[in-house]
Amino acid sequence: EAQVTQNPRYLITVTGKKLTVTCSQNMNHEYMSWYRQDPGLGLRQIYYSMNVEVTDKGDVPEGYKVSRKEKRNFPLILESPSPNQTSLYFCASRRQGPSYNSPLHFGNGTRLTVT
Amino acid sequence: EDKVVQSPLSLVVHEGDTVTLNCSYEVTNFRSLLWYKQEKKAPTFLFMLTSSGIEKKSGRLSSILDKKELFSILNITATQTGDSAIYLCAVAYNNNDMRFGAGTRLTVKP
Repeated sequence: EAQVTQNPRYLITVTGKKLTVTCSQNMNHEYMSWYRQDPGLGLRQIYYSMNVEVTDKGDVPEGYKVSRKEKRNFPLILESPSPNQTSLYFCASRRQGPSYNSPLHFGNGTRLTVT
Repeated sequence: EDKVVQSPLSLVVHEGDTVTLNCSYEVTNFRSLLWYKQEKKAPTFLFMLTSSGIEKKSGRLSSILDKKELFSILNITATQTGDSAIYLCAVAYNNNDMRFGAGTRLTVKP
């Protein structure tokens, strides 16, 4: 089954403790992206990757890192999480080419709480 | 500044009602507008609209785009409790940019 898999689904951590949220897709998509979703603000893009070893900042990149060493994986790293990073996070992927040609496929989300 | 605005933010209806959700946008180099449905998990794709005036339809859901007035509507007829979800509008612009609206939370009561 074609899917985007995120782990973990739920994560509670403390300020400053490094964490990684994994994302993997099995559709051979070149493009992958991370979003955070907050009430009233919708989905905001954190980072995206057009292909292996190519990453770029989205609208809200501060406090996050990503890497794209393999086509299928796109982990999100929070080196020193803070309470304002408490949010619902989504990983998404799509085929290569312009964004207007193919819809995003989303993972099931990771609900992160930083205390 | 590029923006996508959805209205209403929240809506409560009863089964059988018809609802209209709105999405307006201001972006440079508009390319397409997409609708997603988000239940408890991942947003799932509904429609992609690129041309004005051409209705996209899937069962009880339909959507249309007006590129002159810069908006789209999503209609749901004969609503069911399973239609309860957050409906997201996204606009693709330039070559690779995409901006989401805040979403409309629809609740359908039995």
